Amino acid sequence: ETGVTQTPRHLVMGMTNKKSLKCEQHLGHNAMYWYKQSAKKPLELMFVYNFKEQTENNSVPSRFSPECPNSSHLFLHLHTLQPEDSALYLCASSQAITGAGELFFGEGSRLTVL
Amino acid sequence: QKEVEQDPGPLSVPEGAIVSLNCTYSNSAFQYFMWYRQYSRKGPELLMYTYSSGNKEDGRFTAQVDKSSKYISLFIRDSQPSDSATYLCAMRGGGGSEKLVFGKGTKLTVNP
Repeated sequence: ETGVTQTPRHLVMGMTNKKSLKCEQHLGHNAMYWYKQSAKKPLELMFVYNFKEQTENNSVPSRFSPECPNSSHLFLHLHTLQPEDSALYLCASSQAITGAGELFFGEGSRLTVL
Repeated sequence: QKEVEQDPGPLSVPEGAIVSLNCTYSNSAFQYFMWYRQYSRKGPELLMYTYSSGNKEDGRFTAQVDKSSKYISLFIRDSQPSDSATYLCAMRGGGGSEKLVFGKGTKLTVNP
């Protein structure tokens, strides 16, 4: 495996379900991110982890719960979501969180909330 | 006023055309300016980045930053059908802020 891998690629869940998105980076980077991508909207930063410590929570509702057990893995736990949470969730990693630190994105997890 | 404005298009051009993609921004603290390309069903990938003002060229792609006008551009020369993608501008401050701010993205189609 190379780069940033996300699973599952597609997820359909009801509003009362609990599910998790998984991200793994094979690049030796120190920072990992969750972004939300909705149609006709800019990429929205949700969470940032640097050396496993959360450094940014961009006012994300508590029904989204991130977990970063180590610098290579990132999870997004989902519970009691709303239909408006349907979107593409992108994981990214970078060597540094400042400057021109290039973000490497996964292919995303397409989430549909019924 | 939004921090970053980008016309979402869509933009459709014939093969071989010169394409101009643009973003405007309001935050004068931005120092790093990037263009990401996102193919359908893929994540974005960094295409080019520029620090502060000036031009940067890479093959058929040229990135320009005009800080006085708070305006950035990406030019694609001799566009190819393989350039069909969504192009997202992104920018970040130079003061240690890790927040990268993206535009909405412009969807480009290059027709053979």
